[in-house]
Order: sequence, then C-alpha cells, then structure tokens
Amino acid sequence: QQPVQSPQAVILREGEDAVINCSSSKALYSVHWYRQKHGEAPVFLMILLKGGEQKGHDKISASFNEKKQQSSLYLTASQLSYSGTYFCGTEPANQAGTALIFGKGTTLSVSS
Amino acid sequence: DSGVTQTPKHLITATGQRVTLRCSPRSGDLSVYWYQQSLDQGLQFLIQYYNGEERAKGNILERFSAQQFPDLHSELNLSSLELGDSALYFCASSVTGSIRDTQYFGPGTRLTVL
Repeated sequence: QQPVQSPQAVILREGEDAVINCSSSKALYSVHWYRQKHGEAPVFLMILLKGGEQKGHDKISASFNEKKQQSSLYLTASQLSYSGTYFCGTEPANQAGTALIFGKGTTLSVSS
Repeated sequence: DSGVTQTPKHLITATGQRVTLRCSPRSGDLSVYWYQQSLDQGLQFLIQYYNGEERAKGNILERFSAQQFPDLHSELNLSSLELGDSALYFCASSVTGSIRDTQYFGPGTRLTVL
C-alpha cells in the first residue's frame, strides 16, 4: 500500500526544473507533500484533495490525478533551498480519515 | 521551529531495554502522531492520539505503547528493544484530529540500540 515515488533522486543546477511523482495502487482521497532537509524534521508543503484543484505556492506546485491515483510535485527554477528529501503521504479512499501512508522519498540536490 | 518539542534528542541503549520518548505538541494542538523513520522504510505511521484518546493505529509493534496525558503531551514507550528498533522517531501535532489537517513535526529522537 506504500505509494511509489519516482525518481529516487534528482540532481539539478540552480534554475532547472524537476518533477517528482507519487503513485498508488489504491484509490486515494488526498495526497500530502512534505520536504525534509538533512537532519531536520519534515515540513508540510501542500495537500491535494480529491476533486480539488492544482495547488501551488511560490515556484512549487502539485497536481492530483484521481483516476490514475497519482500526484506530481513540480519545482520550477529551483533554488539551493529546495534541496532535501520530498515525501508524499497518501490517504487511501477506503481508509479515509485514518492515517497517511508515506512513500520512501525523493532526494533532490540543487547545486550552484 | 515547528513549536513541537521532543526529548531526548539522542538515546543510546542496549537490546532488551525499555525507553520512553516524550513529545509536547504545539500550543493549541489537540492531536499527536508518532512516526518511525528508518533508511529502508521511510516514514512509518505508528499511532495517533486526539485529546487523550487513541484515534488511529498503524504498524505499531506490541512491544511499543503510547499515551497522551491531560496536558496533551505524549509519551512513546518502547520495550524489549531490538537492534532493528534503531531509527529516528518523530512526533507531529495538529490542531484537529483530521488526517487532512497540517501536521507539524518535532525535531525527532534518534534511538540507537546496541
């Protein structure tokens, strides 16, 4: 039931774009995205709900395709501060309201 | 700083021992979640409390138990420790008990079992 994130790792130069995908084998009610910098706690980025619109703030946005049970996180014009591990947390539709199931993470490294 | 505090930061103990991890949620948050993070499994949900009551249970071993006290702080008790229990343990808090509410993570407790 654990969602699959791809790619496992991304290496970028400042200003480049990246897409991180999160796929589930189960129907989903919501998808949550978190970023964790090395040695720190995960920090909430955004939540996408079933039937909701694409979300975004600053140059980070995300989409949720309910039919494909997939979510994608888009990072445009990446900055050094974007480096870290990105986790998606999924809320299965058949267990709505219970707990998030997190993927193993995608490590993003941005260099100057 | 998320406002969630966890103690201790690091814990080194031996197999077979018992330890207690402590978490204080953000002021005003009623719900506490416990997660285990290991390199191979990522973030695994253990258990959730809301206003002193257990709300949801994940892959928590029988050797592990938790509770949330009237002042809303929470403790995670790990007993009969095994090498495989070595991991980073996070607690997170949220205002409501809804899974769709933003969770604020504490800095974590790194447990090493030797």
